[in-house]
Amino acid sequence: GAGVSQSPRYKVAKRGQDVALRCDPISGHVSLFWYQQALGQGPEFLTYFQNEAQLDKSGLPSDRFFAERPEGSVSTLKIQRTQQEDSAVYLCASSLPFRETGTDTQYFGPGTRLTVL
Amino acid sequence: SQKIEQNSEALNIQEGKTATLTCNYTNYSPAYLQWYRQDPGRGPVFLLLIRENEKEKRKERLKVTFDTTLKQSLFHITASQPADSATYLCALDLYNQGGKLIFGQGTELSVKP
Repeated sequence: GAGVSQSPRYKVAKRGQDVALRCDPISGHVSLFWYQQALGQGPEFLTYFQNEAQLDKSGLPSDRFFAERPEGSVSTLKIQRTQQEDSAVYLCASSLPFRETGTDTQYFGPGTRLTVL
Repeated sequence: SQKIEQNSEALNIQEGKTATLTCNYTNYSPAYLQWYRQDPGRGPVFLLLIRENEKEKRKERLKVTFDTTLKQSLFHITASQPADSATYLCALDLYNQGGKLIFGQGTELSVKP
C-alpha cells in the first residue's frame, strides 16, 4: 500500500514569506508526528496528533509555527514569516495506536526540504 | 541535562566485516529504543525495536543490545555489504509521551567493496 507522502518535496521561500507543508499519512494511522531535521543532525520532534487532536506541541520553536489535522487524516504544517534558521527538512511520520501494535514504530515520509533565502 | 549521542565520527569498514554503532544516553528512562536507517534525501526507515527489559534482539544480519544500567545500545550489522551504507539513527521512546521519538544525531556508515 501507499506510504506516507509529503508535498512539496522542495520549497524555496524568501525571508518573511508564509509556507504550508502537507502530509498524507498511511490510511488508518491514528498518530501523526512532525519532525525538523537540520543538515547532519537527527530529526527533532515538533508536534504530535492523535486523530484530529494536537496532544503535544512542545517542540514547535516559536509561535510562527502552526500545525493542524482538522479531519484526522491529512496534516498541514504552516510556518509564518519564515526566517533563514527555518531552513531544514521537515519530516512527517504516522503510526498505529500503541494498543494495537504494542510499539510506537513510526513510518516516515520523504520530507520537505525548505530553503529560506 | 538530557542527551543522546551516537558515534560522532563516520564509520568506514570493509565489506564482510561487522559494523558496530553506539548509542549512549543520559538522564532519560526510555521504554523502548529504536533504530532507523536513513538514506540521502529520504525519510528514516524503521529497523529494530528493543524494550527496556530486553537485553538483545536480532533480525537477519542485524543485532541490537540494550543495557539500561550503562544507558547504552549497540547496533551490529554482520557480514556488511556496500548496500548497508547509510546513516543510522537511534531513537528513544519514552513512557507516556505519546510515542514521540528523541533521536540521536546519527552515524554515517560506509561499507567499501
